[in-house]
This record gives sequence, C-alpha cells and structure tokens, in this order.
Amino acid sequence: EVQLVESGGGLVKPGGSLRLSCAASGFTFSGYTMNWVRQAPGKGLEWVSSISSSRGYTYYADSVKGRFTISRDNAKNSVYLQMNSLRDEDTGFYYCARRFGAPSYWYFDLWGRGTLVSVSS
Amino acid sequence: SSELTQDPAVSVALGQTVRITCQGDSLRNYYASWYQQKPGQAPIVVIYGKNNRPSGIPDRFSGSTSGNTASLTITGAQAEDEADYYCNSRDSSGNLYVFGTGTKVTVL
Repeated sequence: EVQLVESGGGLVKPGGSLRLSCAASGFTFSGYTMNWVRQAPGKGLEWVSSISSSRGYTYYADSVKGRFTISRDNAKNSVYLQMNSLRDEDTGFYYCARRFGAPSYWYFDLWGRGTLVSVSS
Repeated sequence: SSELTQDPAVSVALGQTVRITCQGDSLRNYYASWYQQKPGQAPIVVIYGKNNRPSGIPDRFSGSTSGNTASLTITGAQAEDEADYYCNSRDSSGNLYVFGTGTKVTVL
C-alpha cells in the first residue's frame, strides 16, 4: 500500500527539541521530493520544509529557518524533521507530504495522517 | 515570501455552483493546486496544474487561472463537499511553497 506514516510527536517544553519521522512505503521513495506541512489547532495549513530526492537540497519557511532541519535516509525510506528551540507557536499537527507533478505544476499528492506536536510549559 | 489570499468562508445551496478564489502574485508564474480538508483528516488534492483532477475526484471540481487569481469551482455542490479548501503554489523565489489562508465551504 502506498502510504506515509508520521511518528515522533509529543509534548515538549518551550526551548526543547523533538525529532519527527515519516516512513514511506509502496513507492520508490528515493525518486521524490518530500515535504513537511503543519497546521496549528483551528488554523490553516503552513508549508514548513522540503528536501529534494537525490541531491538532498533543503528549503525552509522563514518561520522555522535556523531552528528546524529536514533530512532523509533513502535506504530506510524515511524523512525526518529535527525541531530545536521549539516555541508555543510550533504547536500543531505535522504532516509529511510527497511532491508530485512537473516544474510547471508541482503538487502534494500523498499525505500522511499527521503527528501532533504540543509545545507547552 | 509570497502570500495567497482566500475568502474565509462561502456557502452554497445543495446542487448549486460555488467558486473559491485565491489571489497572489506568484500565481502569474505558477499554477495553483487545491486541497480539500475535512475535520480530523489530512488534506487531499482535488485540482492541480491548469485544470487536472486526480483519480477519484468527481468532475464537478474544476480549476482555472486568470492573472494573479486562481479559482476552484464546484458545479452542483454535494453535502460531502462541505470542507475547508486551501490553494497552494510556489512563492516568488520558486523554491518555497505557500498555502492560501483557506476557505470554509458550507453546503446548505
């Protein structure tokens, strides 16, 4: 079955760290750019970060740049998000998403069910 | 970075047509994709590219773009279309992505 499964969420204090994982199955993981998208409670979607398929180029939203690090292990069919210096506003569901399409029309065609991150003292 | 602006909420009578818009400068250069999200669920893509529907998405969903505005149209809205809808595109740099502010669609 083609799927993405996130894990690693939990409760952490402000300033703390957390590492999210996303395990992919059912497709050739190494051929796709992978992304993290988050959603604060009751709020909209926010793209967080992406990592390219082979060369591992990484990109970040301004809101997390310098605090979050995306990485991948193609041998383990997994993508990770290391989150440091966490803030209250980082609270929310974190979704892993696969990018599909072509340069003129990239889109996120496959999503995981998400993992919940709560930052609170 | 770029912004994509959507109306917060729209309502449509059962069986009627509703159009949701998404405005942003990056849409002059990049197509938008549209996502439907129901409560407690992950988003799913309903439209991508010029006007493409993934397998399994009903043909009552369609998309278009004019200038800096992308539109998602639901022709003959059904009760199951009640959801939040988000547009997404690349930002002006072409390397980052941005989601629209979201539109809550209520089917009356």
